[in-house]
Amino acid sequence: GAVVSQHPSRVICKSGTSVKIECRSLDFQATTMFWYRQFPKKSLMLMATSNEGSKATYEQGVEKDKFLINHASLTLSTLTVTSAHPEDSSFYICSAIQTGGSETQYFGPGTRLLVL
Amino acid sequence: GQQLNQSPQSMFIQEGEDVSMNCTSSSIFNTWLWYKQDPGEGPVLLIALYKAGELTSNGRLTAQFGITRKDSFLNISASIPSDVGIYFCAGRSGGSNYKLTFGKGTLLTVNP
Repeated sequence: GAVVSQHPSRVICKSGTSVKIECRSLDFQATTMFWYRQFPKKSLMLMATSNEGSKATYEQGVEKDKFLINHASLTLSTLTVTSAHPEDSSFYICSAIQTGGSETQYFGPGTRLLVL
Repeated sequence: GQQLNQSPQSMFIQEGEDVSMNCTSSSIFNTWLWYKQDPGEGPVLLIALYKAGELTSNGRLTAQFGITRKDSFLNISASIPSDVGIYFCAGRSGGSNYKLTFGKGTLLTVNP
């Protein structure tokens, strides 16, 4: 149980284009999901908290207009990197908390983004 | 803000050896979690600790929630090659704030 998937697993895009990453909780409902960014050999950096049916809460220094988050259902949150630039290249990981569960965060497998 | 100090930063051990890593915090956490991350993958939960003093095992892994609620350790006994990876501790303050604070990770290498 508590499986979280991400799609795509890796994506290469041209500078200036937008990229959408999906995060799904496969066997549970998740009112709250999180989006992290991870640089090579570094720890996870929280970008934003995604709440179903309401606006996401962004961490300090994260541009909300650049990283658009939509949590339209209890099993899906999306992160759209708008007008991507090479410095946006990174490993993006989502996590989800099971509604009414132990409040443990279960992580997706990550999405590797490369912006050329 | 809250900070987690995780040590050691990396370890090189022989197969069969025991391993210990720990995290200390500048402030109190209500939950401690230990995750393992393989290259190119998301973190996988190993052990969750919810009470000060709690000692929990998961196979060859044992973790403890420190009495002061500011520290936790993870032990791996009889290491095997597949234990290779990065181990992260994470702490949660509690209440309605579900956010985690992560340690910087311990890179474990196991020589067969």
